[in-house]
Amino acid sequence: GAVVSQHPSRVICKSGTSVKIECRSLDFQATTMFWYRQFPKQSLMLMATSNEGSKATYEQGVEKDKFLINHASLTLSTLTVTSAHPEDSSFYICSAQRGGTIRPDTQYFGPGTRLTVL
Amino acid sequence: GENVEQHPSTLSVQEGDSAVIKCTYSDSASNYFPWYKQELGKGPQLIIDIRSNVGEKKDQRIAVTLNKTAKHFSLHITETQPEDSAVYFCAAPKGGSNFGNEKLTFGTGTRLTIIP
Repeated sequence: GAVVSQHPSRVICKSGTSVKIECRSLDFQATTMFWYRQFPKQSLMLMATSNEGSKATYEQGVEKDKFLINHASLTLSTLTVTSAHPEDSSFYICSAQRGGTIRPDTQYFGPGTRLTVL
Repeated sequence: GENVEQHPSTLSVQEGDSAVIKCTYSDSASNYFPWYKQELGKGPQLIIDIRSNVGEKKDQRIAVTLNKTAKHFSLHITETQPEDSAVYFCAAPKGGSNFGNEKLTFGTGTRLTIIP
């Protein structure tokens, strides 16, 4: 299989605090992970691409200082929402690629993290 | 970059009947087209994908067809069951620089409801 987990599944925080979300590939090594956000009844919007051992690349309009991404190992990427505000409330989802020979590689998604900022 | 359009936005089907969801894409160089199913409050789950070297792929009740000339691909679900009710997303490679071929652009989603 290709199982991706996220932690926490839900988080509620106060405005101005920082929140860290973890994304793990449980049964494979992920050379590349992606972070998306999804507003209610909308599609997935790519925020950034995370490659192990290098800096993340952010999509246009995504503030890299606000959404800090670290890909410290081949099985773990973290997204930190710094100084969160109510407008950051959303469903954050990560995906991971195995890094196979067939390109583009399949993306396997985590279960998502529901962030609510009060 | 790629532009993906998906139709319909909502679809209601009687249990046992077939459902078809269509997507069009803009970049003729795109070569990979996955379909994801998303249940409420969960992450998307890959249900089937197709690469541009074939025109059709089938997995039990689910099939995907690809027309490269017309730049569209479709998801077909036969003998629908209540558990097929979910939101379905098509996707295509985003394109462009910075690993563009590995990134995905998603359609706007189709909410499928199976009527018992």
